[in-house]
Amino acid sequence: GAGVSQSPSNKVTEKGKDVELRCDPISGHTALYWYRQSLGQGLEFLIYFQGNSAPDKSGLPSDRFSAERTGGSVSTLTIQRTQQEDSAVYLCASSGDGNSGNTIYFGEGSWLTVV
Amino acid sequence: AQSVTQLDSQVPVFEEAPVELRCNYSSSVSVYLFWYVQYPNQGLQLLLKYLSGSTLVKGINGFEAEFNKSQTSFHLRKPSVHISDTAEYFCAVSPYGTSGSRLTFGEGTQLTVNP
Repeated sequence: GAGVSQSPSNKVTEKGKDVELRCDPISGHTALYWYRQSLGQGLEFLIYFQGNSAPDKSGLPSDRFSAERTGGSVSTLTIQRTQQEDSAVYLCASSGDGNSGNTIYFGEGSWLTVV
Repeated sequence: AQSVTQLDSQVPVFEEAPVELRCNYSSSVSVYLFWYVQYPNQGLQLLLKYLSGSTLVKGINGFEAEFNKSQTSFHLRKPSVHISDTAEYFCAVSPYGTSGSRLTFGEGTQLTVNP
């Protein structure tokens, strides 16, 4: 597609439930990132995928968070046993490759509210 | 490791006035520098970036930024703002010349342009 596409755009879930957030990067982009944006925390890196390499998971806040990228394209971020502090906007981004000078393009985000 | 400090969390200005949004960074290695804008309920959009060369960088929507290595700053400026410039602005860095590097963001500056 023309841009990074994320779904759902809004999700309200009950505490303790699992949620899945989907990201469809720009076609042909090999690098894919997940960030979290929450009040008082700014923009926080979560995980990075580059081609077929092992992902950089160093930003995942706990073992309740996981992500996968199938076929080098679509990615799913899964949060298990959601907690209220997981409420945030989850932003997906992609770039042509992982070169640090390349522009990273962001999706519009998935707004997650845990009640 | 890198860190980014945006010195003003909120900047209110009147329409057609000039504006400067301040950004300082800290890094043990050379970095690329970026400014992103986030309009309400949207994802982040790249305004401009500094990779090398001229320290004055021009971006979209009439914005420009100047890289000052000695002061480790990358302030964003616009000579005359419009109501439509109301948004949150994020300064970010990534390490120079590496792959698989993610952006480290500042906390953001909310620019509000009043009529």
